[in-house]
Amino acid sequence: GDSVTQMEGPVTLSEEAFLTINCTYTATGYPSLFWYVQYPGEGLQLLLKATKADDKGSNKGFEATYRKETTSFHLEKGSVQVSDSAVYFCALTVTQGGSEKLVFGKGTKLTVNP
Amino acid sequence: ETGVTQTPRHLVMGMTNKKSLKCEQHLGHNAMYWYKQSAKKPLELMFVYNFKEQTENNSVPSRFSPECPNSSHLFLHLHTLQPEDSALYLCASSPRRQGVDTQYFGPGTRLTVL
Repeated sequence: GDSVTQMEGPVTLSEEAFLTINCTYTATGYPSLFWYVQYPGEGLQLLLKATKADDKGSNKGFEATYRKETTSFHLEKGSVQVSDSAVYFCALTVTQGGSEKLVFGKGTKLTVNP
Repeated sequence: ETGVTQTPRHLVMGMTNKKSLKCEQHLGHNAMYWYKQSAKKPLELMFVYNFKEQTENNSVPSRFSPECPNSSHLFLHLHTLQPEDSALYLCASSPRRQGVDTQYFGPGTRLTVL
C-alpha cells in the first residue's frame, strides 16, 4: 500500500548547521507530498507541501523538492536554529474510497544545540 | 493560535472508567479528524467526519466512540480502555473532506490508561 519512510532519529545538530531529513514514498498514482512539524507540547503544523513532480515547497528557510524519479521529498535547511527543534513528519495523500487522506511517516526528532 | 482546541490536555484513567475527549475548531471548517499518535509509530487516522457525517472508521475498536454534534465540535468517548491505548490523541480539521486540503491540528490530549 501507500506509505512514507523517513530517516530514523533523533538528529542532533549545532546551530547554523545544514539539515537534511530524508523521506521516500511508495504510492500509486500521483500523490501530494507534505512536511508537518510538531513543536514540543503542540499539535502538528503544515510546514510546506508540493503537489506535483519537480515542485519545490518552501517555508521558514526549509525546502523540499518533489522528485518522482527517486520517489523522494527530502527536507533541507541551510542553517538551523535552536527554535527549529521539533519532530518533523513527512506525509502524502492517498485516494481511498473516493476521498483523500493523509499517510504519515513515523517522524524524525530534531534537536538543535546552541 | 491554532484555531483547534482540545480538552483535557492530559488524562489518566483506569480500565473501567468512562471519559470523553473534546475538540473544538474555530476555523469554519467542515471536516474533522481523530488521530492516534503512539511512540515510534506513524500517526494513525481513526475517524473522519465530513459535514457532521462519519465518512471513515479505520477499524477502530468499539471502545472508542466518536460523536460530532455539529461541524465545530468533535468528541471521542472512551470506555473500558486497555493500557496499549495510552497515546497522544490529536484532533484536526480541514475546510472540506475531498481534495488536498491542509489539515489544522490541535495540541492533543495525552492519555494514560492504567
